Order: sequence, then structure tokens, then C-alpha cells
Amino acid sequence: GIQVEQSPPDLILQEGANSTLRCNFSDSVNNLQWFHQNPWGQLINLFYIPSGTKQNGRLSATTVATERYSLLYISSSQTTDSGVYFCAVEGGNEKLTFGTGTRLTIIP
Amino acid sequence: DGGITQSPKYLFRKEGQNVTLSCEQNLNHDAMYWYRQDPGQGLRLIYYSQIVNDFQKGDIAEGYSVSREKKESFPLTVTSAQKNPTAFYLCASSIRQGGYGYTFGSGTRLTVV
Repeated sequence: GIQVEQSPPDLILQEGANSTLRCNFSDSVNNLQWFHQNPWGQLINLFYIPSGTKQNGRLSATTVATERYSLLYISSSQTTDSGVYFCAVEGGNEKLTFGTGTRLTIIP
Repeated sequence: DGGITQSPKYLFRKEGQNVTLSCEQNLNHDAMYWYRQDPGQGLRLIYYSQIVNDFQKGDIAEGYSVSREKKESFPLTVTSAQKNPTAFYLCASSIRQGGYGYTFGSGTRLTVV
């Protein structure tokens, strides 16, 4: 099946800093999503982005499908950005496969 | 508002008992999915269903069973055959065409006591 790798596994930043999270995948995909898992376990859909670039406030994402990677940018980090960020991809088998996540901690 | 409802939020089960987790969606999505998450790890697919009365095993289906009698509902039964059932269970749904991705419920935390 398709492999998904996320880096870094852990990231600790001061409030106000910018960050870049990376997702590499091993095959062509029909779907790529970025999720934020909050402290209560809820998965919040950030972006549906199988290709191209999208922005939503302080967050933006870019997927380069031909090179099989996606980047999530967080600017001017706030403590509420803390949590685990997951990249998930869907290939030809129509199953969403998750990476192991990046745990982001924002220090006030 | 449309969404996915999982119940209960917390569930305690004695060893040897079966337990059923509920998942209901009013998004008119065709496909539904069950994932398991263990502490500090990603999500792993248990079962999925793309249409009513049809479902397929995911990567870790052993010890679990599902049914899909209605489009809106996809209950998961954790049987006594599941050796390590304590985990966080998440239900999701998606529309097969349209490119809107997956929507997740708020999860059920199951603890075996």
C-alpha cells in the first residue's frame, strides 16, 4: 500500500514563530488532506489539497503531486495551534492512509 | 448542521463482552469508515463501506464487525476476540465524487476494565 511519512515528528516553537510541516508519499494520490487533532481527539479538516496551493488565514498548504510531497505552513503561531497535525492520502485503492503525525507545541 | 455523530464519547467494557459503537451521518455521503487510534500513533483503518449493504475489511479488521443497513448508519462492534480493544475509535464519511475529502466524527474512547 501507499506509504506516508511526516516530518518532523515533534516541533516546539515560541509563540509568533512560523513553521513548515512536510508530508512525503510513495505513490500518486487522488486525495490529500491535512488534519489538526485537538486535545479532545477531534480531527479538524484543514485542507483538501491533492495538488496546488491553498490558504486559509494563517495556514497555507502546497502539494507538488509530481514530486509526491505536501507542505503545511503555519505563520505567526498561537498556543491554540498546538496539537498533532496529520497528513492523509488516498490512492487508487480508495482508502485514506494516515502518516504518523507531527506533534506541534507552541510555548507562550 | 450536517455532520457525523458518534456515541457514546466514553465507553467501558469488561473483558469478554461485545460492545457496539454508533456512527450516524446526515451528510448524504456514500462511503463510511472506521479508524482506530492508539496513544501517540496515527490512525489505522478497521472497516469501510462504499455503499449500503456492502463493506470491506481494512488493515486491522480482526476482532471487529460492522453492518451497513442504512446509508446514514455504520455501527462497529468490538467483539471479545479483539485482544487489545482499549483505544480511541473514529468514524468518517466521504462523498465518492466531488473532491471534498473526508469528514470525521468526534470519536469514542473505549476502555476495557
